[in-house]
Amino acid sequence: QITLKESGPTLVKPTQTLTLTCTLSGFSLNTRGVGVGWVRRPPGKALEWLALIVWDDNKYYSPSLKSRLTIAKDTSRNQVVLTMTNMDPVDTATYYCAHRGSYGGNYFDYWGQGTLVTVSS
Amino acid sequence: QSVLTQPPSVSAAPRQKVTISCSGSSSNIGNNYVFWYQLLPGTAPKLLIYANNKRPSGTPDRFSGSKSGTSATLDITGLQTGDEADYYCGTWDSSLSAGVFGGGTKLTVL
Repeated sequence: QITLKESGPTLVKPTQTLTLTCTLSGFSLNTRGVGVGWVRRPPGKALEWLALIVWDDNKYYSPSLKSRLTIAKDTSRNQVVLTMTNMDPVDTATYYCAHRGSYGGNYFDYWGQGTLVTVSS
Repeated sequence: QSVLTQPPSVSAAPRQKVTISCSGSSSNIGNNYVFWYQLLPGTAPKLLIYANNKRPSGTPDRFSGSKSGTSATLDITGLQTGDEADYYCGTWDSSLSAGVFGGGTKLTVL
């Protein structure tokens, strides 16, 4: 059974760096074809695609946030970590990690429950 | 401003049919699979449709997807009050080398 769970701070101050961890269960990023991504949803706003890392360590980022984002995998811990620098109140959102579907097309078929991150001084 | 364009809202009566549109370009919808997600209040996104028109197990056959050129549609028939949710289309953008979503459509079942 595939599950994902996000963890990290619920409150960060402006200009700080956010580090979120996604703990994977039921699958491994060592397996060919597997990928894990991050998506966020600010309150009352639309979903925003952030980043994707795949089994061969290729990484893909939202062009508008690329300079602030880093995605990395820790296969020994079966985790994926997303860091976002220079946080701003507009980055307040629920952050989700998700498993990439196997059919093709970079969609997400299993999602974590999400974690709400508030940026405020 | 989302890369894909969806109507902000649609509504219909129970047991009726509704169609949600999603418009993009040749770099995204035109050359990649489209998928659809349902966001019920307070819950994580749920995959409804992948590869334009395929339903994961668990998606009722009342939900169907299609794609033509640079646009896609999600049809929901036999509307139920439990279908009230936000619906998002998404795809890969080959020019951006990134995923993209629509702005979301709020479905109200009157």
